[in-house]
Amino acid sequence: DSGVTQTPKHLITATGQRVTLRCSPRSGDLSVYWYQQSLDQGLQFLIQYYNGEERAKGNILERFSAQQFPDLHSELNLSSLELGDSALYFCASTALAGASYNEQFFGPGTRLTVL
Amino acid sequence: AQKITQTQPGMFVQEKEAVTLDCTYDTSDPSYGLFWYKQPSSGEMIFLIYQGSYDQQNATEGRYSLNFQKARKSANLVISASQLGDSAMYFCAMREGGRTGTASKLTFGTGTRLQVTL
Repeated sequence: DSGVTQTPKHLITATGQRVTLRCSPRSGDLSVYWYQQSLDQGLQFLIQYYNGEERAKGNILERFSAQQFPDLHSELNLSSLELGDSALYFCASTALAGASYNEQFFGPGTRLTVL
Repeated sequence: AQKITQTQPGMFVQEKEAVTLDCTYDTSDPSYGLFWYKQPSSGEMIFLIYQGSYDQQNATEGRYSLNFQKARKSANLVISASQLGDSAMYFCAMREGGRTGTASKLTFGTGTRLQVTL
């Protein structure tokens, strides 16, 4: 158990819909990352938040948005869903110092299926 | 250009044998970190081992070791004494940038599927 939690574990929805994926980082970790793993694109970085502020953006579509709340949990919002958005979405968190600085702890992922 | 290249889509190894999974990387940043993650069929990403660009010695974690050849820009994972439970997808990843207080994103390779046989 990495200490990072993600809900829901599975999500099945229809094209055009909007969903919200939730992530709670490890206790004390300020930095949260979102990754998308799909068959055709592999594992791709979407966006990073640090202590509530957006820190870096990757290949995140305009239909997708994220935020990090004061309690440090993060939400990834996916709207106007398309079939190609079906993927495993991971959240990861990292410490900023100390022995575990060099590790990004991944949550179990949310498997999104768009029908 | 691909930043992380894993040229072996699939590998087979017999139980108790050692296996090497290849990874080459490309960066102009002098400060970077290299990671290996294991993804079993259940889907979670499990951190295995880390090598920093300034580390003098190759990293080891139990049965996992990282063969770091900086000049060749390679960071191969060696798994010794393979076990059936090692069957999984293995990803090499890189983080660029120094230790500034916020760690940057990971860039992943396409992965190698390892199958351990009896």
